[in-house]
Amino acid sequence: DGGITQSPKYLFRKEGQNVTLSCEQNLNHDAMYWYRQDPGQGLRLIYYSQIVNDFQKGDIAEGYSVSREKKESFPLTVTSAQKNPTAFYLCASSMVGGQRANVLTFGAGSRLTVL
Amino acid sequence: AQSVTQLDSQVPVFEEAPVELRCNYSSSVSVYLFWYVQYPNQGLQLLLKYLSGSTLVKGINGFEAEFNKSQTSFHLRKPSVHISDTAEYFCAVIISGSRLTFGEGTQLTVNP
Repeated sequence: DGGITQSPKYLFRKEGQNVTLSCEQNLNHDAMYWYRQDPGQGLRLIYYSQIVNDFQKGDIAEGYSVSREKKESFPLTVTSAQKNPTAFYLCASSMVGGQRANVLTFGAGSRLTVL
Repeated sequence: AQSVTQLDSQVPVFEEAPVELRCNYSSSVSVYLFWYVQYPNQGLQLLLKYLSGSTLVKGINGFEAEFNKSQTSFHLRKPSVHISDTAEYFCAVIISGSRLTFGEGTQLTVNP
């Protein structure tokens, strides 16, 4: 079955350490997204990419970095510059162009806790 | 400016009762509207969407929503809820070709 795989599901890190969250999709979608979810705040867009080797900042990109070397993969690095990294991180993908471009498919999420 | 507002952060109901989760959006000529559901510690799943056509949209799990342009609303309804409907529900909008924006979510809790 096609879908999005995020790993790890749970991650604990010490303050000041960089961490990388994995996101892989086999839906043949061109666009991929990273969202951060905090209680009572909905989802906020961190970064998105519509094509390989290109990505754009979202609303809260500071302290994060991404790469898009392959269509299937869009890893997110939470750097030590991110002031409050503890959160639930969601990866999503979609087609590009046409009405189906507006529908996102989500992974199961990665919960990062910084100690 | 907030483009989408979910009016209730928590909605408790009893099993088999009807439920309405409210969503309002900023007025615009062009709007696409979505409802997503999130079960604990999982990702979001699309419940239904309005892109064009009929203003009454039916989704999965017996949910439906009505696009009301005059009231700029897209409320989610279900005539009889089950315990398994307990989850967080997100309204999301695309206004005039802008990026998808999510509301803050409504926690639906169905009690026996």
